[in-house]
Amino acid sequence: DAGITQSPRHKVTETGTPVTLRCHQTENHRYMYWYRQDPGHGLRLIHYSYGVKDTDKGEVSDGYSVSRSKTEDFLLTLESATSSQTSVYFCAISEPTGGETQYFGPGTRLLVL
Amino acid sequence: GNSVTQMEGPVTLSEEAFLTINCTYTATGYPSLFWYVQYPGEGLQLLLKATKADDKGSNKGFEATYRKETTSFHLEKGSVQVSDSAVYFCAGGYGGATNKLIFGTGTLLAVQP
Repeated sequence: DAGITQSPRHKVTETGTPVTLRCHQTENHRYMYWYRQDPGHGLRLIHYSYGVKDTDKGEVSDGYSVSRSKTEDFLLTLESATSSQTSVYFCAISEPTGGETQYFGPGTRLLVL
Repeated sequence: GNSVTQMEGPVTLSEEAFLTINCTYTATGYPSLFWYVQYPGEGLQLLLKATKADDKGSNKGFEATYRKETTSFHLEKGSVQVSDSAVYFCAGGYGGATNKLIFGTGTLLAVQP
């Protein structure tokens, strides 16, 4: 298994509060990604990073920000959580020479009340 | 834009039945193609992949062939087991240097004893 951990694994929060999810890897992979998984939508890319301090938006980036200050950590922040951000969030990593194969973390289940 | 479309589920089969899950992709360039599997409560695991036309990916009795002429990458298994019950995702790698993937919506497979 790829060395990817996500924290917390479960979180319940209230509308309007800030939330930060953490992804940590031990593989020293250059690329990191945040997805959300919702019924009927599969996985949709929120943001991704191609190096320390290098990030870009994905398909559903509104309401989310990210930061990557170290190779091993990629943080996803919901500045002011809304009920529409209730979802399961997955982090993934890959290497440019890996044929685009991505390796996924175990996920964080977030409930916004 | 690029997209990946897979058959909707759920697919319910009896043990030892033949499995096919259909997946088609848009033909912008020649994406790498993947099947991922998600067991209950877990993250996605790479099941198999193919990087060019006519390649066949295989793993754990599952197979899929990259068909350029039909823009398809259907997943097959000759004899399913109860332990194969999971959600299966087809994905296309269109990202070039960014390694981004586009996922289908997922197909739930339920295998009954």
